[in-house]
Amino acid sequence: DAGVIQSPRHEVTEMGQEVTLRCKPISGHNSLFWYRQTMMRGLELLIYFNNNVPIDDSGMPEDRFSAKMPNASFSTLKIQPSEPRDSAVYFCASSRSGDSGNTIYFGEGSWLTVV
Amino acid sequence: AQSVTQPDIHITVSEGASLELRCNYSYGATPYLFWYVQSPGQGLQLLLKYFSGDTLVQGIKGFEAEFKRSQSSFNLRKPSVHWSDAAEYFCAVGGGTGANNLFFGTGTRLTVIP
Repeated sequence: DAGVIQSPRHEVTEMGQEVTLRCKPISGHNSLFWYRQTMMRGLELLIYFNNNVPIDDSGMPEDRFSAKMPNASFSTLKIQPSEPRDSAVYFCASSRSGDSGNTIYFGEGSWLTVV
Repeated sequence: AQSVTQPDIHITVSEGASLELRCNYSYGATPYLFWYVQSPGQGLQLLLKYFSGDTLVQGIKGFEAEFKRSQSSFNLRKPSVHWSDAAEYFCAVGGGTGANNLFFGTGTRLTVIP
């Protein structure tokens, strides 16, 4: 049973470069979440989609961040241009509405370092 | 407003000792409660969840948690800790159908000493 799949697992990039993180949710799940985890701020919700539609993007830090979900099996989180303070672990997660209280299942994370 | 408080940032226990991690929540409706565990370099794995019914819920790896509405708490327990339990533990609260998001606490880091 495939879980949430994220790529890349690790990325090191230079400041100013564009970063694209990818996510494939669990098949059959209709909600998708992007979280960011840092030592200073802990786990933060950036944005979540329901049935491919963005529902709450209030956690997106600024216009440099954008997220898309073109279909039920794929989502991207883009940072352009990237800055050193964007260094963090970015988690994608998915759930199925109405299923066991909307249990959220996490991917392994994308570890981003911006130098 | 919804929130989760995990008052202990870091806990150290000896292997074989009992464990209790505290979680208090604030939620305007009937809460759905979760505990997740994160091992170093890994994502968050669901340990257990409470929706309704029996307030004592069993999870994986020998963990259990008890929902106490009067105290707005959902503490995680394990009778005998193993060295492999060393990890970060997150409590989360959500509202179920129609309220997809979960609100996470700041986590408790567990260290297990031999």
